[in-house]
Amino acid sequence: QLQESGPGLVKPSQTLSLTCAVSGGTVNTNTYYWTWIRQSAGKGLEWIGRIYGTGSTMYNPSLKSRVTISLDTSKNQLSLNLTSVTAADTAVYYCARVFGAARDWGQGTLVAVSS
Amino acid sequence: DIQMTQSPSTLSASVGDRVTITCRASQSVANWLAWFQQKSGKAPKLLIYKASILESGVPSRFSGSGSGTEFTLTISSLQPDDFATYYCQQYNNYLWTFGQGTKVELK
Repeated sequence: QLQESGPGLVKPSQTLSLTCAVSGGTVNTNTYYWTWIRQSAGKGLEWIGRIYGTGSTMYNPSLKSRVTISLDTSKNQLSLNLTSVTAADTAVYYCARVFGAARDWGQGTLVAVSS
Repeated sequence: DIQMTQSPSTLSASVGDRVTITCRASQSVANWLAWFQQKSGKAPKLLIYKASILESGVPSRFSGSGSGTEFTLTISSLQPDDFATYYCQQYNNYLWTFGQGTKVELK
């Protein structure tokens, strides 16, 4: 029901852009909200941010200056943009639907940052 | 940030064993605590939320308890499908944080 997609390789200092296609519900709902989480060998599971159906967002302070999460209601998907990436941003990126807790997860997409 | 610390980091057990994993929070998270199971190459799967509520479809051999700063995940009788890594996660604070994980391996 959630499917992440995007480039598997991004060069340092560039922007990482991922999308998460949602099926089985609409993204602009008040019933649940959406979140991005990443997982790396070095930092484990790290919460990136969340977005509500209204478009309101909250971000991890450690990433706030570089991250943007948005909704595309025409495509029923959410997006993640992370600017000025470094090797430390290499991770598997997950989107998830939150209803109380993070119930439904995408399969994840591996993004490597390397020249 | 609220720090979540799990113990042990690795647990060796046999099928049929009772297994307990502990998660401690650096400050109270009330009962806003979830447990996830993750298998290699897969996304985490929600097992328990609000510290003790079993997610639909999760076997009843899994149970959670605790509140405040100390929580436990118990598997009453370990099954072959349960060998995996388990994570706790607090969602009391807007800034979600996860434990470092506990790997349950075959003894």
